[in-house]
Amino acid sequence: DQQVKQNSPSLSVQEGRISILNCDYTNSMFDYFLWYKKYPAEGPTFLISISSIKDKNEDGRFTVFLNKSAKHLSLHIVPSQPGDSAVYFCAASASNQGGKLIFGQGTELSVKP
Amino acid sequence: GAGVSQSPSNKVTEKGKDVELRCDPISGHTALYWYRQSLGQGLEFLIYFQGNSAPDKSGLPSDRFSAERTGGSVSTLTIQRTQQEDSAVYLCASSFRRTGDTDTQYFGPGTRLTVL
Repeated sequence: DQQVKQNSPSLSVQEGRISILNCDYTNSMFDYFLWYKKYPAEGPTFLISISSIKDKNEDGRFTVFLNKSAKHLSLHIVPSQPGDSAVYFCAASASNQGGKLIFGQGTELSVKP
Repeated sequence: GAGVSQSPSNKVTEKGKDVELRCDPISGHTALYWYRQSLGQGLEFLIYFQGNSAPDKSGLPSDRFSAERTGGSVSTLTIQRTQQEDSAVYLCASSFRRTGDTDTQYFGPGTRLTVL
């Protein structure tokens, strides 16, 4: 039972355009959501997070949107840069379940010059 | 300051041997997590330590897997009688988490385990 799903295994975007990565979840107990970026042979790097009491959080070029009724979140990167090319993981946790992260399968983003 | 460190970075072992993987969390972080990423898969939770509380072992795939956290800091993940399906990247993360709270976990670079 996959509680966090990233249905697009890959995404290709032109430099300067917007990248939109999507994530769906099933567990209504999740109250904290994070996006991580991962390069090959490295550990995941934290990008941005959002609490379930908010519907939007912005940090520079990165914005995360949360739609609790649809159990959906998305990461917007604008403008996209070639250095953004990596695998992006969506993760969710529930504060009453120990805070362990449940990850999606990842989306590989390729930003072309 | 220093991030999460893990050692070794790579480990090749023969089927049936035991292995130990080490994690040094960020200084002052109270919570420590182990995850693994098998080839082509997402990250899978294994075990979680929070302060002096009993660890959450709900993600350990079999009783061949165990972990310790000594003195509230360094952690060791031990895999006994390794099998080929244990081949994966083992990732450690730490955070300031307080019980009942949510927070951000910071990951180490991982240990790539290959079981021949």
